[in-house]
Amino acid sequence: SQTIHQWPATLVQPVGSPLSLECTVEGTSNPNLYWYRQAAGRGLQLLFYSVGIGQISSEVPQNLSASRPQDRQFILSSKKLLLSDSGFYLCAWTPGTGNTEAFFGQGTRLTVV
Amino acid sequence: RKEVEQDPGPFNVPEGATVAFNCTYSNSASQSFFWYRQDCRKEPKLLMSVYSSGNEDGRFTAQLNRASQYISLLIRDSKLSDSATYLCVVSIYGGSQGNLIFGKGTKLSVKP
Repeated sequence: SQTIHQWPATLVQPVGSPLSLECTVEGTSNPNLYWYRQAAGRGLQLLFYSVGIGQISSEVPQNLSASRPQDRQFILSSKKLLLSDSGFYLCAWTPGTGNTEAFFGQGTRLTVV
Repeated sequence: RKEVEQDPGPFNVPEGATVAFNCTYSNSASQSFFWYRQDCRKEPKLLMSVYSSGNEDGRFTAQLNRASQYISLLIRDSKLSDSATYLCVVSIYGGSQGNLIFGKGTKLSVKP
């Protein structure tokens, strides 16, 4: 069966520090991968999505970046965090073809102080 | 116009009540439809897919009206455990947002 792992679960980082969040999917190949952010009391905001290795589409201009070094690995990064980067970050995947449900990781709660 | 719109609520209902959520979508090329449930500080999880003929899963009934571009979720005999935020999700194959578009969610609070 397919599983998705996202870590860490909680992170407190100072302003200006770097960020690296990792997400891996098991049990499937060539998934579509997504990074979302959810600010407190707000809806899901799509940050990046990827349909294949090295293929990243950015939906919102900001100081974050994403990379997909392997088929089932998706990394969210920042060189210098801002206070406004605080939020709940969610990784998700869908099968590479067809229209099916999305499966979410458990999320990372990031607080920038 | 937002691609997927939902009433944000909150809907505050007593146990045993019937509650209905509505969702409209703007892209007529939308192909698949889902309702997700998100508990506080947790990840969204699929509640049910929405089929053209409508579908039911226990106390939950989902309806789709393609002509009006409208999706609904009906919850009968509400339980305290139904308290959560319900997200309407539309899939557009090859769309600009990958292929999933989320509504902002409708918050439900079931009171004893």
